[in-house]
Amino acid sequence: AQSVTQLDSQVPVFEEAPVELRCNYSSSVSVYLFWYVQYPNQGLQLLLKYLSGSTLVESINGFEAEFNKSQTSFHLRKPSVHISDTAEYFCAVSVLDFGNEKLTFGTGTRLTIIP
Amino acid sequence: DGGITQSPKYLFRKEGQNVTLSCEQNLNHDAMYWYRQDPGQGLRLIYYSQIVNDFQKGDIAEGYSVSREKKESFPLTVTSAQKNPTAFYLCASRSYAEAFFGQGTRLTVV
Repeated sequence: AQSVTQLDSQVPVFEEAPVELRCNYSSSVSVYLFWYVQYPNQGLQLLLKYLSGSTLVESINGFEAEFNKSQTSFHLRKPSVHISDTAEYFCAVSVLDFGNEKLTFGTGTRLTIIP
Repeated sequence: DGGITQSPKYLFRKEGQNVTLSCEQNLNHDAMYWYRQDPGQGLRLIYYSQIVNDFQKGDIAEGYSVSREKKESFPLTVTSAQKNPTAFYLCASRSYAEAFFGQGTRLTVV
């Protein structure tokens, strides 16, 4: 069975500072990895995903994540945050197993940007 | 516009009553999911379905039931056996590489 660990439940960051949100996963088979963002009282929106190929994936709003197979990690980074980045961020994993479409989420990291 | 619609947005239930949350999608996705979200616990999987007329229990299925009679619809019933049903419920459908979420239903037991 797969699992996801987000070690930081809350991360406060000053505006225009860099940020890293950590995600580690556990799986005995190959995986797909995702980062989702949630604004208050809304559903989740896909931020970026790793399926195969380049281990560094980027979103349109400046976030990037790097798949590290040896460390089983998929940390999310942004070099300079903005007030509008304040939200909760969820890491998710899905195994590459036809017939098993289970999608497992971490407990989330609340990112707070300080003006 | 294609997407997932959850209704109602807010729902109040008296203790001992069953209540059904609606989830409809027009994305032609085979896989659909129900998650429960509580503060500090992230999203926990209740049930998922990979095809019509078939579904699997997730990690916290006790006190819940689902049906999948149509590809577009995956309703969730919160039964009286669920001891702590107050939560934010999210429905999702999934293509090969991405899950799409509805806007959620906030259920409160009064």
